[in-house]
Amino acid sequence: DAGVIQSPRHEVTEMGQEVTLRCKPISGHNSLFWYRQTMMRGLELLIYFNNNVPIDDSGMPEDRFSAKMPNASFSTLKIQPSEPRDSAVYFCASSRTGGVGNTIYFGEGSWLTVV
Amino acid sequence: GNSVTQMEGPVTLSEEAFLTINCTYTATGYPSLFWYVQYPGEGLQLLLKATKADDKGSNKGFEATYRKETTSFHLEKGSVQVSDSAVYFCALSGEGSQGNLIFGKGTKLSVKP
Repeated sequence: DAGVIQSPRHEVTEMGQEVTLRCKPISGHNSLFWYRQTMMRGLELLIYFNNNVPIDDSGMPEDRFSAKMPNASFSTLKIQPSEPRDSAVYFCASSRTGGVGNTIYFGEGSWLTVV
Repeated sequence: GNSVTQMEGPVTLSEEAFLTINCTYTATGYPSLFWYVQYPGEGLQLLLKATKADDKGSNKGFEATYRKETTSFHLEKGSVQVSDSAVYFCALSGEGSQGNLIFGKGTKLSVKP
């Protein structure tokens, strides 16, 4: 079974540019999560979806960030315009039922650098 | 709100030493507890988990017991190897949540030969 697939793995972009991160969850999983990891703040949940519907986006830092899940096998996280402080590793993760105790599987992350 | 506190690192040990990484949590009800491991340049992998009080999770020689009375889930390994060098994250999934995880800050472990 393929794991969570993220792209791009690495991206360097200039301040002000639009960044789109992509995620393909594990087939059959119906919950999807976007996390951000930085040295200063650790791992933060940005948003999560259940059955393609956003359940909680309170972790999204500001209006420059948006996430979509048009179908069960694809999600995007977009930053427009990007800023240097957005530099981080962005992880997508998925789980089967979204219930407590279910294992969440992480992708290998998208390493974003905004210069 | 729910939160996780784990010991700050980095932790440096010699091969075959005993490892303990402390983790305590604050949560209402009965959360599920997890340890994830992150190797350099990689994503997080589930190491072990426990979903109810007094459960012991174990994997690859690592163990952690869900202690409701002390709200703790300390990670232990009797004899570490160089290959265990990684960052370890304690996390919880709150009762009634959709399964999203709240993570501790992570503890970096370095094992020297």
